[in-house]
Amino acid sequence: EAEVAQSPRYKITEKSQAVAFWCDPISGHATLYWYRQILGQGPELLVQFQDESVVDDSQLPKDRFSAERLKGVDSTLKIQPAELGDSAMYLCASSLGQGSEKLFFGSGTQLSVL
Amino acid sequence: KQEVTQIPAALSVPEGENLVLNCSFTDSAIYNLQWFRQDPGKGLTSLLLIQSSQREQTSGRLNASLDKSSGRSTLYIAASQPGDSATYLCAVRRNTGKLIFGQGTTLQVKP
Repeated sequence: EAEVAQSPRYKITEKSQAVAFWCDPISGHATLYWYRQILGQGPELLVQFQDESVVDDSQLPKDRFSAERLKGVDSTLKIQPAELGDSAMYLCASSLGQGSEKLFFGSGTQLSVL
Repeated sequence: KQEVTQIPAALSVPEGENLVLNCSFTDSAIYNLQWFRQDPGKGLTSLLLIQSSQREQTSGRLNASLDKSSGRSTLYIAASQPGDSATYLCAVRRNTGKLIFGQGTTLQVKP
């Protein structure tokens, strides 16, 4: 069964450093999402792409976070500089479109900022 | 603003028991509702998706219901097993495509 691929699985960094996460959605999925999940809470949407275009980035802290999906396939989420409060699980998900389809999640990247 | 609440936050039951997890949402204008399972330190696995026009969905020992008018959904797990131990999250999808999650219910099934 096709899966959403994410890397790295774990990332430890010091505050003020730059970090980047990569996501490869299921082939043919036009919609890609980046979520952040703090321990004990549900995931919160950071950014949503439809093909290569950003549909929703209202919750993305744009002073330090950036996301791109240049060719409408894989995507990169970057944080620069990282802060202690950024420690969380970063989850990527994809779906066929923006309609009523299921979301499929990757295994996530667990970020620890020291 | 759509808010999704899950009660209880944690639940512990003996193996073999039938159980119900609850999810409530404040805005009934949703496209669908999805139940996920999350194992510790892992991503989310979709269990059931209920479209706004549907009342329930079933998969094996799982049954999810949706009552839009009251803003509620339940996930029923029959004959629980230790392997069902995980966090269960519900999420509602708005007409913008945005998925709003509850905080989850952590289930422990004791052998």
